[in-house]
Amino acid sequence: DGGITQSPKYLFRKEGQNVTLSCEQNLNHDAMYWYRQDPGQGLRLIYYSQIVNDFQKGDIAEGYSVSREKKESFPLTVTSAQKNPTAFYLCASRRQGVDQETQYFGPGTRLLVL
Amino acid sequence: AQSVTQLGSHVSVSEGALVLLRCNYSSSVPPYLFWYVQYPNQGLQLLLKYTSAATLVKGINGFEAEFKKSETSFHLTKPSAHMSDAAEYFCAVSDGSGNTGKLIFGQGTTLQVKP
Repeated sequence: DGGITQSPKYLFRKEGQNVTLSCEQNLNHDAMYWYRQDPGQGLRLIYYSQIVNDFQKGDIAEGYSVSREKKESFPLTVTSAQKNPTAFYLCASRRQGVDQETQYFGPGTRLLVL
Repeated sequence: AQSVTQLGSHVSVSEGALVLLRCNYSSSVPPYLFWYVQYPNQGLQLLLKYTSAATLVKGINGFEAEFKKSETSFHLTKPSAHMSDAAEYFCAVSDGSGNTGKLIFGQGTTLQVKP
């Protein structure tokens, strides 16, 4: 059963703590994306990776970091520099091709600050 | 820069009534356009997409959308609303296949369906 998994479903962060959100896909897609969702603001791009060992900043990368060591995995770290981390985080992977172009989304991780 | 505007953050319809969710985009190149649906505390599910083929696109759950280049619009419609259609809907534009594939999202429209 192919798809994208994200874990955990809920994550709690203490002040000054770094936390890592997991994203795994078995769709054999090269490109993966991290979005942040806040109420009333739609989705905003944090980081994206078009190929293993390469990634680029999105529109709101400050306070976040990523790695892409394997094609299947694209973890996101929310660092202590991110002062307002409470949000719903969504990971996606991309199927490419003129008529196939689509991003598929995981179920999301909700990050809350203690 | 590309942008997407969804007119109306909340839309309320009666069960059985027409659903119309509006989306306008700005893009300097022929865009790829998408509609996604999100149920509470879940990820996004693709409803339909326009990728330069037919301008009238049919999607899942009885939804369809028409790409109108002259109006830079991609409005989502469904002839008869069902209670299960209550959700948040997002319109998005992409820079197209072969490029970064980044999606620019509208702010979303919450659809309420009244019995």
